[in-house]
Amino acid sequence: DTAVSQTPKYLVTQMGNDKSIKCEQNLGHDTMYWYKQDSKKFLKIMFSYNNKELIINETVPNRFSPKSPDKAHLNLHINSLELGDSAVYFCASSRGTNGIYEQYFGPGTRLTVT
Amino acid sequence: AQRVTQPEKLLSVFKGAPVELKCNYSYSGSPELFWYVQYSRQRLQLLLRHISRESIKGFTADLNKGETSFHLKKPFAQEEDSAMYYCALSGQYNFNKFYFGSGTKLNVKP
Repeated sequence: DTAVSQTPKYLVTQMGNDKSIKCEQNLGHDTMYWYKQDSKKFLKIMFSYNNKELIINETVPNRFSPKSPDKAHLNLHINSLELGDSAVYFCASSRGTNGIYEQYFGPGTRLTVT
Repeated sequence: AQRVTQPEKLLSVFKGAPVELKCNYSYSGSPELFWYVQYSRQRLQLLLRHISRESIKGFTADLNKGETSFHLKKPFAQEEDSAMYYCALSGQYNFNKFYFGSGTKLNVKP
């Protein structure tokens, strides 16, 4: 009965590789997010989709590309991984965009780039 | 610019002692403030939001617009309160955009 799930939980890869992180929510929410938590524990929003449409796109390198095949899924693809991409990536979802709603978080994906 | 500041990285208190986790914010419009908590090996979850004006697990937080603060308080800390606490901000300009602080780790000692 997991609400927001992410795969994989851990990802270790080498510089220059391309990798994807998947996120799924079964809450029936319209809006999904990707956050990055750096080594200093700052949690910063990267992207947000509402009903498969991109609504928030922060200053993130073009190497990061989100994809939302349907409103229950939001995947994050990263090209040409760099050392600085090492972080914990959190997916989240919320009801919609016509109000400020609680965000439900996934367990996080710890990405380590060597 | 929108910003949330949590000045303490770590706060250690003894069980039964009062606890206050500080949060200051910067927002040009009318903000909505939240506290999220992450217990060990669990996911980040909402603890409380200022518009609810409720007490959750004995915690309260008052929005002070004059001091631009939203400190989280509990009169008597319990060991099970040990966790990572994040203050977050959203508002009228973009409902979906949350700004999080860097978090404060609360350690309640027996």
